[in-house]
Amino acid sequence: RKEVEQDPGPFNVPEGATVAFNCTYSNSASQSFFWYRQDCRKEPKLLMSVYSSGNEDGRFTAQLNRASQYISLLIRDSKLSDSATYLCVVWRISGYALNFGKGTSLLVTP
Amino acid sequence: GAVVSQHPSWVICKSGTSVKIECRSLDFQATTMFWYRQFPKQSLMLMATSNEGSKATYEQGVEKDKFLINHASLTLSTLTVTSAHPEDSSFYICSARDGLAGSPGSTDTQYFGPGTRLTVL
Repeated sequence: RKEVEQDPGPFNVPEGATVAFNCTYSNSASQSFFWYRQDCRKEPKLLMSVYSSGNEDGRFTAQLNRASQYISLLIRDSKLSDSATYLCVVWRISGYALNFGKGTSLLVTP
Repeated sequence: GAVVSQHPSWVICKSGTSVKIECRSLDFQATTMFWYRQFPKQSLMLMATSNEGSKATYEQGVEKDKFLINHASLTLSTLTVTSAHPEDSSFYICSARDGLAGSPGSTDTQYFGPGTRLTVL
């Protein structure tokens, strides 16, 4: 089983739509979780950290379910500029490196 | 925020040559730097963890004699792909950990470089 698994998509949604991405992780001892955004041929950029209590940053909401080892990202009122690949990332237990999911591709259309 | 640079941003080379990629933390000291590789439509995969002043720790399946890592200072790590072959063509990305934990201004966050696209002919 892979460390981090995501539905690769692609998700094609119209502007203004709400879209949700899911992710599961295999190591129940994992403590830190993130969503990164990666544009084509660019480096990943931190979108937001994911906290147990759930957290929101503008149109983006992240949720963590430790019992199910499940992480989600909700994007409301999608913009064209949200088109990108969204990476679910789990901090390794030791060594500080990051385990990346394969990414979920989002295309927001006019 | 903190800035990490990589050089070169892209390189095309002939099979059998060696390529050196530099990763620099520009405004913070990075005790640990990481080297990742990303093939098309794949996730970033950790290749090695580079600690300043010590030998790098390689992930299983990554040949340490082929991918030479040097982390000689708190702001510079280099990755040398020796005797590159077409299957080494990939997007190589470094990240640097702002990890002088407890030091003023330290955030213990990882910052990614812009990546180096290597094409081996």
